[in-house]
Amino acid sequence: GAVVSQHPSRVICKSGTSVKIECRSLDFQATTMFWYRQFPKQSLMLMATSNEGSKATYEQGVEKDKFLINHASLTLSTLTVTSAHPEDSSFYICSARLFKVWTSSGTDTQYFGPGTRLTVL
Amino acid sequence: DQQVKQNSPSLSVQEGRISILNCDYTNSMFDYFLWYKKYPAEGPTFLISISSIKDKNEDGRFTVFLNKSAKHLSLHIVPSQPGDSAVYFCAAAYNQGGKLIFGQGTELSVKP
Repeated sequence: GAVVSQHPSRVICKSGTSVKIECRSLDFQATTMFWYRQFPKQSLMLMATSNEGSKATYEQGVEKDKFLINHASLTLSTLTVTSAHPEDSSFYICSARLFKVWTSSGTDTQYFGPGTRLTVL
Repeated sequence: DQQVKQNSPSLSVQEGRISILNCDYTNSMFDYFLWYKKYPAEGPTFLISISSIKDKNEDGRFTVFLNKSAKHLSLHIVPSQPGDSAVYFCAAAYNQGGKLIFGQGTELSVKP
């Protein structure tokens, strides 16, 4: 259980184009999903928190008009990188929050997708 | 401002021995801590977590220790196996399910 998928796994695009990345929770519903990016040899940096049916909350320094997030259903969130430039090249990872209410203490954990490697030429 | 720090970028351990990965944090408001394992070009895989009200949590070969006064947590893997070789990230959150703040990662290499 708790499987999260991302599509595509790799994308190469020309500068100025827009790229959409999908994040799906396959066997559970997630009211909250998160989007991260990771540069080589660096940590994962949170970009935004995506809540189903409402606007995403962006971290400081992340351009909301450049990184459009839509969370239209309980199993799907999308990240669109608009007018991509070479500096947007990175590894983008989503996670979905799962709250296991049936356990004795309850656990609330993020499960991550496999990531999307974006290369902008 | 790095709120979660993993000061050792790499660690090499012999198969069968104990691996100890360390993590320090600066914000005393963090209430929940997690360890993730990550392979290159893949997303992190959840390993184990601990709430701030506990000082130890164990799951099979993995044990996480939390020292709140020192703002320090560690992950112990016993016995270490070659398949454990990966990058390990610690993460902190203000509450369960909240946004995660990651450390820089420690690359563990377990040699046969």
